[in-house]
Amino acid sequence: QSVLTQPPSVSAAPGQTVTISCSGSSSNIGKDFVSWYQQLPGTAPKLLIYENNKRPSGIPDRFSGSKSGTSATLHITGLQTGDEADYYCESWDSRGVFGGGTKLTVL
Amino acid sequence: DVQLVQSGAEVKEAGESLKISCKGSGYLFSTYWLGWVRQKPGKGLEWMGIIYPGDSDTRYSPSFQGQVTISADKSISTAYLQWSSLKASDTATYFCAKLRYCSGTCSYGMDVWGQGTTVTVSS
Repeated sequence: QSVLTQPPSVSAAPGQTVTISCSGSSSNIGKDFVSWYQQLPGTAPKLLIYENNKRPSGIPDRFSGSKSGTSATLHITGLQTGDEADYYCESWDSRGVFGGGTKLTVL
Repeated sequence: DVQLVQSGAEVKEAGESLKISCKGSGYLFSTYWLGWVRQKPGKGLEWMGIIYPGDSDTRYSPSFQGQVTISADKSISTAYLQWSSLKASDTATYFCAKLRYCSGTCSYGMDVWGQGTTVTVSS
């Protein structure tokens, strides 16, 4: 049982927009930043979003993040088949905590 | 290039000890927190703990406190994850990752990841 709650799976067609939610509490997301990671099959995770809505260099602006209260959301626009991956949110609750992960399928 | 290179895959028996490594390059290793993350087969990411190589200040997730030991040798830019007595339930891939920043909290993201070390423990 993860401290942060994500939907197990989401799906959408190429070119469409998808959102992935991450629900926490006042002791984690409610008072700290959220990061998002993409993990392609068989590879290490990659940082997509940090400090709720900032992108590291090299991350396309199709990926964006937002936070409101005790929840955060990852938005992916213009879906591509290469976006099929697992996505994880992360925050801080005295120690680091991850969401359970969301598998994105691009139909 | 900033990178983390981890040691190779391990196959062990339950009860054995193990120490895996993560070597940093391309940045000042001693001045950035470094974390370890577990991923069991087919499962999600689990935050294990972090270490500041400059002074070996270490913080563990309650789930992993007492189960593993995180250490570092800043003179060779290498961090370690160690078990004194492995269990079959330790079978997983372990990632090390460099934290961008810590100030009070460490919720600023992990921006560089190692390739992962797969540990298989047979009972």
